[in-house]
Amino acid sequence: DSGVTQTPKHLITATGQRVTLRCSPRSGDLSVYWYQQSLDQGLQFLIQYYNGEERAKGNILERFSAQQFPDLHSELNLSSLELGDSALYFCASSVGVASGEQYFGPGTRLTVT
Amino acid sequence: GENVEQHPSTLSVQEGDSAVIKCTYSDSASNYFPWYKQELGKRPQLIIDIRSNVGEKKDQRIAVTLNKTAKHFSLHITETQPEDSAVYFCAAREGGADGLTFGKGTHLIIQP
Repeated sequence: DSGVTQTPKHLITATGQRVTLRCSPRSGDLSVYWYQQSLDQGLQFLIQYYNGEERAKGNILERFSAQQFPDLHSELNLSSLELGDSALYFCASSVGVASGEQYFGPGTRLTVT
Repeated sequence: GENVEQHPSTLSVQEGDSAVIKCTYSDSASNYFPWYKQELGKRPQLIIDIRSNVGEKKDQRIAVTLNKTAKHFSLHITETQPEDSAVYFCAAREGGADGLTFGKGTHLIIQP
């Protein structure tokens, strides 16, 4: 167990809908990262927050957004969902900025039908 | 941006033999190279990492080597066991960024 928690574990929704994925980092970690894992794209970095502020952006679509709250938990919002958004979404956390080790949560499996 | 290539995509070895997985990266500014193990349906688990100021790091049966000049790094697993069967991912982090760029993964199969 990495200490990173994610909810929900599974999510099934229809095209065009909006969903919110939630992540709580390890105790003491200030950075949260979101990754998407799909068969065709592999593991891709989406976005990072550090202590409530956006720190870095990767291959995140404009339909997706995230935020980190004062208690350091983070939410990833996916809107106008398409079939191709079906994937595993992982959250990871680390102590600080450019601090090395990132520990992954159990993931949320999103299925868009 | 960074690009990470990983080979092979599938590797089958006899139990007790060694396994080697290789990765190359494109950005010479990258300074951190972790390896993750992912079992089916589970989270990627950090198994070892190396920073650009070190050439080799070992942890029991697992070792990682880094060649900065050639921009490649490798994972070595010795005395493989059935529980080593999984998908292994290499990754690189650019100097000024925090997000990891991952390779496509290697499916390691340990044959009994």
